[in-house]
Amino acid sequence: DVKVTQSSRYLVKRTGEKVFLECVQDMDHENMFWYRQDPGLGLRLIYFSYDVKMKEKGDIPEGYSVSREKKERFSLILESASTNQTSMYLCASPKGADMNTEAFFGQGTRLTVV
Amino acid sequence: DAKTTQPPSMDCAEGRAANLPCNHSTISGNEYVYWYRQIHSQGPQYIIHGLKNNETNEMASLIITEDRKSSTLILPHATLRDTAVYYCIVRVAEYGGATNKLIFGTGTLLAVQP
Repeated sequence: DVKVTQSSRYLVKRTGEKVFLECVQDMDHENMFWYRQDPGLGLRLIYFSYDVKMKEKGDIPEGYSVSREKKERFSLILESASTNQTSMYLCASPKGADMNTEAFFGQGTRLTVV
Repeated sequence: DAKTTQPPSMDCAEGRAANLPCNHSTISGNEYVYWYRQIHSQGPQYIIHGLKNNETNEMASLIITEDRKSSTLILPHATLRDTAVYYCIVRVAEYGGATNKLIFGTGTLLAVQP
């Protein structure tokens, strides 16, 4: 019954490392999103993609990039991890191109940068 | 972008109805109201959404005021497992609807008490 899968539940990385967070959805959806969640700040949108090889910046894209080479996979990349990127990262995918439907979320990846 | 305002926290006795308010006074005519919840250490879960009519499903009811400036999520018989952060979200549609994003606020922490 799993719909959105994030590759890791917990990650610990060193400052300056390049970090890849992977998200896979098995519902053939067009849209995929990456959020980060921090205490007191709620969920903030980093990047989203509405089609293969298409991407759009969200509200806090600085320090991140994304890759969507296949429809089912949306990767978030931290080019040079920093301690302020320690956070919970959540991937989401809504049904279809029209957001007038529910979105499915992964279980999240808790990233710690030391 | 339409924004939402929710109380930071609420308590509810187990078995009683939980009524969670949300203000969205700048909502535009074609924007939907969504509710999600997030149980600790899990990804957000879709609950319900609506445009202007009241909606009900197996999880909850959504009451939207006639002027659409506010709404209330009702959990008819709250259980301990309903303890979670509840997010009220207004869908933002851009680029002609081809891309959309869900903007999350900080939500309401509902604590169901035994």
